Amino acid sequence: AQTVTQSQPEMSVQEAETVTLSCTYDTSESDYYLFWYKQPPSRQMILVIRQEAYKQQNATENRFSVNFQKAAKSFSLKISDSQLGDAAMYFCAYRSISGAGSYQLTFGKGTKLSVIP
Amino acid sequence: GAGVSQTPSNKVTEKGKYVELRCDPISGHTALYWYRQSLGQGPEFLIYFQGTGAADDSGLPNDRFFAVRPEGSVSTLKIQRTERGDSAVYLCASSYFPGLGDNEQFFGPGTRLTVL
Repeated sequence: AQTVTQSQPEMSVQEAETVTLSCTYDTSESDYYLFWYKQPPSRQMILVIRQEAYKQQNATENRFSVNFQKAAKSFSLKISDSQLGDAAMYFCAYRSISGAGSYQLTFGKGTKLSVIP
Repeated sequence: GAGVSQTPSNKVTEKGKYVELRCDPISGHTALYWYRQSLGQGPEFLIYFQGTGAADDSGLPNDRFFAVRPEGSVSTLKIQRTERGDSAVYLCASSYFPGLGDNEQFFGPGTRLTVL
């Protein structure tokens, strides 16, 4: 079974600065998807960024980018030019490419990000 | 178009009571998922529907939990004889057929269940 670990329960960043959230995972599969989700107080999980394991290039979505290190099984999220609206819980998640795990998202425990004005 | 909706937003019940939680997926999404998010944790998979049938219910914690999706659209999660440990946010998500590429799961706002 796959596991996802987020070792930072809480992080804070000054507005306009950059912050990196860490995530490690354990799997025996060679192909899979990794995701970062944002959960504001409204509770609705919002997809921030996704990475396909077979792609060497790190995914980027505007101010959000990832550092995917497949051999180290590490998947960190970098938020540049942090904004007050970025304050939320952030969850790292794993999903298999095929088989039973291809529809189950496995989540970490989350990191609570605070943005200081 | 409309996103995934869940009702009620909050539900308070007493230990031993029966509750139903409803999920309306995005129109056209054939796959529907239920997750449970306990306090301080990430969501945990409960059950997955493809169409009307439960393709995988391996995440349901025990036989007090049951879910249906009779017409392949709306789903209801049913919890019998509720216990205080059932208190959590129950999230519903939907997607197109998950076996096709990286179909994104779209989440609803969840139902916060509190068992007193």
